[in-house]
Amino acid sequence: DTEVTQTPKHLVMGMTNKKSLKCEQHMGHRAMYWYKQKAKKPPELMFVYSYEKLSINESVPSRFSPECPNSSLLNLHLHALQPEDSALYLCASTDMGTDTQYFGPGTRLTVL
Amino acid sequence: QQQVKQSPQSLIVQKGGISIINCAYENTAFDYFPWYQQFPGKGPALLIAIRPDVSEKKEGRFTISFNKSAKQFSLHIMDSQPGDSATYFCAARGTNAGKSTFGDGTTLTVKP
Repeated sequence: DTEVTQTPKHLVMGMTNKKSLKCEQHMGHRAMYWYKQKAKKPPELMFVYSYEKLSINESVPSRFSPECPNSSLLNLHLHALQPEDSALYLCASTDMGTDTQYFGPGTRLTVL
Repeated sequence: QQQVKQSPQSLIVQKGGISIINCAYENTAFDYFPWYQQFPGKGPALLIAIRPDVSEKKEGRFTISFNKSAKQFSLHIMDSQPGDSATYFCAARGTNAGKSTFGDGTTLTVKP
């Protein structure tokens, strides 16, 4: 199973809402990532978890809060977002043995 | 400071032709160079990757050429097909499954 799954596929939220994005992989990868991607732009790294510990935070605003409950799951908690946060949010995991990175299909987030 | 420069921004090729996309990097600490293919509304998918100890890697119709001294690498798509029409991103990464730096992407259109 070489798949990273993400839920939901689409999310529309108001600026006062609290929501969460979920990511799951069962490939045994111990590095997991959150990226943000705007239209026609490359993925922009937000967070990296290595062995369930946050190893990289690319100065992301605190309205985005990552969580790694176990080695297969990665969550991104959203609160008080701004319309400019509307984007495709991608989760990824890396096989540290081969450096191969697998991306999920993404969650299309719209902030009204 | 952009560490990976990708060109061209867009490319139109006739079916059966060769598509060539180029990337240049600055950081000599990079040791893994993947290419990703992304279709609209989908997450990026790893196409092919190379390490700096190899000058060329071929997988089917896709070939990476790597020039360590020039700090450049390129993707060649032979016998391009309309189904190859997508956005292609080059990337570069250091060790330990850390941060990937992406190029800005190339939108490839293969005309029938």
